[in-house]
Amino acid sequence: AQKITQTQPGMFVQEKEAVTLDCTYDTSDPSYGLFWYKQPSSGEMIFLIYQGSYDQQNATEGRYSLNFQKARKSANLVISASQLGDSAMYFCAMRDMGGGTSYGKLTFGQGTILTVHP
Amino acid sequence: EAQVTQNPRYLITVTGKKLTVTCSQNMNHEYMSWYRQDPGLGLRQIYYSMNVEVTDKGDVPEGYKVSRKEKRNFPLILESPSPNQTSLYFCASKTGSGNTEAFFGQGTRLTVV
Repeated sequence: AQKITQTQPGMFVQEKEAVTLDCTYDTSDPSYGLFWYKQPSSGEMIFLIYQGSYDQQNATEGRYSLNFQKARKSANLVISASQLGDSAMYFCAMRDMGGGTSYGKLTFGQGTILTVHP
Repeated sequence: EAQVTQNPRYLITVTGKKLTVTCSQNMNHEYMSWYRQDPGLGLRQIYYSMNVEVTDKGDVPEGYKVSRKEKRNFPLILESPSPNQTSLYFCASKTGSGNTEAFFGQGTRLTVV
């Protein structure tokens, strides 16, 4: 069974500094995808970044990068140069590509609330 | 604009009164699903649909029904809501192939009293 663990219920960071949000995962499928979503206080889910299990390089999208360590089964999100607008809940999620009944399903972690201080 | 639209955004209802939360997407996506979000639990899948007339249970299907009569619509039905179904609900869609990101609706905050 797939499992995602986010061990940091809350994180604080000073504006303009970098912050790392932790995510570890467990799956027996060799082919999977890892996702990060941002949920601001307004409630919507915003896709940030994706990493495939066979991707050789860490994914980057603007100020977001994914520190993918396959052997350790971790997929930490790094936000550089934090902004006040980065304050939100962040979810790590995984999707197996093995097909069958798990097709398409995202398994989510518990989430981490990030607060950016001015 | 590509989007997933849920209605209503907020709903307060009483125990046992049937309700439907609508979901519509304009991206011609094959795959659609419903999640509920609860504090400390993240999002959990309720039901999913791989295409028209093809639906199946997710991890927490008890107390819910769905239908997929058209590709764009995937309503969530609570025939007899109970207080433990008070939650934030999300509809999501994605293309049928590849490990692409899911697009989420704005969410529906449901309170059952």
